[in-house]
Amino acid sequence: EDKVVQSPLSLVVHEGDTVTLNCSYEVTNFRSLLWYKQEKKAPTFLFMLTSSGIEKKSGRLSSILDKKELFSILNITATQTGDSAVYLCAPNDMRFGAGTRLTVKP
Amino acid sequence: EAQVTQNPRYLITVTGKKLTVTCSQNMNHEYMSWYRQDPGLGLRQIYYSMNVEVTDKGDVPEGYKVSRKEKRNFPLILESPSPNQTSLYFCASSLWLAGTNEQFFGPGTRLTVL
Repeated sequence: EDKVVQSPLSLVVHEGDTVTLNCSYEVTNFRSLLWYKQEKKAPTFLFMLTSSGIEKKSGRLSSILDKKELFSILNITATQTGDSAVYLCAPNDMRFGAGTRLTVKP
Repeated sequence: EAQVTQNPRYLITVTGKKLTVTCSQNMNHEYMSWYRQDPGLGLRQIYYSMNVEVTDKGDVPEGYKVSRKEKRNFPLILESPSPNQTSLYFCASSLWLAGTNEQFFGPGTRLTVL
């Protein structure tokens, strides 16, 4: 059975901190792993990862995939209050993890 | 504007009263799906559709029906809603097969079944 586990479930940091969010997975016929950000509304797309070891970056956010060890991490540097959200990972964009709730305090 | 729309956005109903939540996308996407989101459980897929007249069950299809008669529309039907279907529902679409392109999500429908 396919599995997706995100950790930690919840995280509280202060502005300027760096955070690392984890996603481990077991899925059949792996094609890609996607990360989404969900504020108080619909999820919005962050990254799609298909190859191991290649970092994707967008501003202060970056993500990398390890297909051998079956995990991905999402890093956020110099966090801001606007980064407060639930971050979801989704292997094959079909089965979503429960998410990591990030709270950034001023 | 490229978007996924859902209606209604909020709905309170009673057990057993059939309802339909509509979903429409204007991006000519092949793939559409429905999710429900419950606290602590993340997004769980209900049904998905690869193309017109092609639908398949996701992880939690019991109590739901869907149809895909036109490419742009993918309604979710609850024939006899029950309180355990109280949830936040999202429709999503992507250009092609899941995992090849990102999904675009609708704004969500908050359903309460009394």
